[in-house]
Amino acid sequence: SQTIHQWPATLVQPVGSPLSLECTVEGTSNPNLYWYRQAAGRGLQLLFYSVGIGQISSEVPQNLSASRPQDRQFILSSKKLLLSDSGFYLCAWSRDSGLRGYTFGSGTRLTVV
Amino acid sequence: QKEVEQDPGPLSVPEGAIVSLNCTYSNSAFQYFMWYRQYSRKGPELLMYTYSSGNKEDGRFTAQVDKSSKYISLFIRDSQPSDSATYLCAMTIGGSARQLTFGSGTQLTVLP
Repeated sequence: SQTIHQWPATLVQPVGSPLSLECTVEGTSNPNLYWYRQAAGRGLQLLFYSVGIGQISSEVPQNLSASRPQDRQFILSSKKLLLSDSGFYLCAWSRDSGLRGYTFGSGTRLTVV
Repeated sequence: QKEVEQDPGPLSVPEGAIVSLNCTYSNSAFQYFMWYRQYSRKGPELLMYTYSSGNKEDGRFTAQVDKSSKYISLFIRDSQPSDSATYLCAMTIGGSARQLTFGSGTQLTVLP
C-alpha cells in the first residue's frame, strides 16, 4: 500500500532563518507531488506541484521554493523565512492527474517568530 | 467571486442527526467532485469522489452532484461524535488538469 511521510510535525523558526520541509512517498512510482499551505478559514492554497524528477511548477510567487531530487521525494525550502510564512503545510501525492483525489500527509505546523 | 464557495460554519448537531454539507461553484467545466474530511491538526483524507451528476453512497455518507445548479452536497446519516471534523469539497476539470480547487471547509461538531 502507498504511504506518505511528512516531517517535522511542528516547527518554530525565527524570522530570517532557512526552512526545509521534506515529504516522501512509498509504495508507488512516478507520483504527482504537491505542496499546499492551509490558512485558517481560507482553505488550501496550492504552492507547487511536480510531475517528475526536477520538474516543478509554481502556482504562487513567494518566498518559497520546491525541489524534487528523487522520484518520491519532495522538498519545500526557503532561504529566509518571513512572519507571513507561518501556516500549516501539507504535502500530497496523486496518480496521474489526480482525478480520484489526492492523498495528503499529516502536515507541518510552521510558526515563524 | 471564488470558484468554489463553502459555508464555513461552524455547524453543531446532536448525535444521530442527518447532516447536510454543501458547496457551490462557478466553473461549469468541473466534472470530478470530491469530499475530504480533516481532523484537527491532521491532513485531509479523501471520503468520496464522484464524476459528473448523480448520487453516490458509501455507508452513512452520500455525495450528490447537481451540475445544472452547480451545487454539490455531502449527507451524513446517523452522525456520530467521531464525525466532528472540517469537511472540504474539491473539484477538478479532468483531462490533463493537475490541480484540485478546494472549498474553504465547513467545521462540523456532533454533540453526544
